[in-house]
Amino acid sequence: QSALTQPRSVSGSPGQSVTISCTGTSSDVGGYNYVSWYQQHPGKAPKLMIYDVSKRPSGVPDRFSGSKSGNTASLTISGLQAEDEADYYCCSYAGNWVFGGGTKLTVL
Amino acid sequence: QVQLVESGGGVVQPGRSLRLSCAASGFIFSGYGMNWVRQAPGKGLEWVAVIWYDGSNKYYADSVKGRFTISRDNSKNTLYLQMNSLRAEDTAVYYCARETPAADWGQGTLVTVSS
Repeated sequence: QSALTQPRSVSGSPGQSVTISCTGTSSDVGGYNYVSWYQQHPGKAPKLMIYDVSKRPSGVPDRFSGSKSGNTASLTISGLQAEDEADYYCCSYAGNWVFGGGTKLTVL
Repeated sequence: QVQLVESGGGVVQPGRSLRLSCAASGFIFSGYGMNWVRQAPGKGLEWVAVIWYDGSNKYYADSVKGRFTISRDNSKNTLYLQMNSLRAEDTAVYYCARETPAADWGQGTLVTVSS
């Protein structure tokens, strides 16, 4: 149950787009279409932003989108806003569940 | 609305035990699988355990297998995590979360394992 690999940090200016990658193996990301993404602000509980690779829960802006190619999943945030600054975690089914190490998004 | 409220955290010595609870409301508790997820201070999320809606199946992360036990009481709408043989590396905020992927989370309860 090794953690999925995410970049430690990404940044972008308001209005720009950023993409966060999540790399696993054929036993997790590549083997199932069960990748989800969570946003976490400091001191708060995580919030589900994307599930089943590319589906958005009700209430999540369509600026957030997900995709997958092979063993790598991606979260793209377009039209960056100040409130998007947070930590983002990917999660994949792997028999059980495994999270990525997290990516800190800074809005410049 | 869905509400999950964890309790039972605190400071405990290495090797001792602690039981966490998660009181659920706002949904039919007996119809959903439930998870425990933890987050060590300044670190990322780590899935800990899952229990099916009826308690028939339970699965654990390797890091806690054999030491932690997840359970539920559907008559009380409550999820539990019994933590035995606690180690310093178990220090974390423990969240309960409904289903996987988890759209609903509690606010977390802090467990500190220290002598």
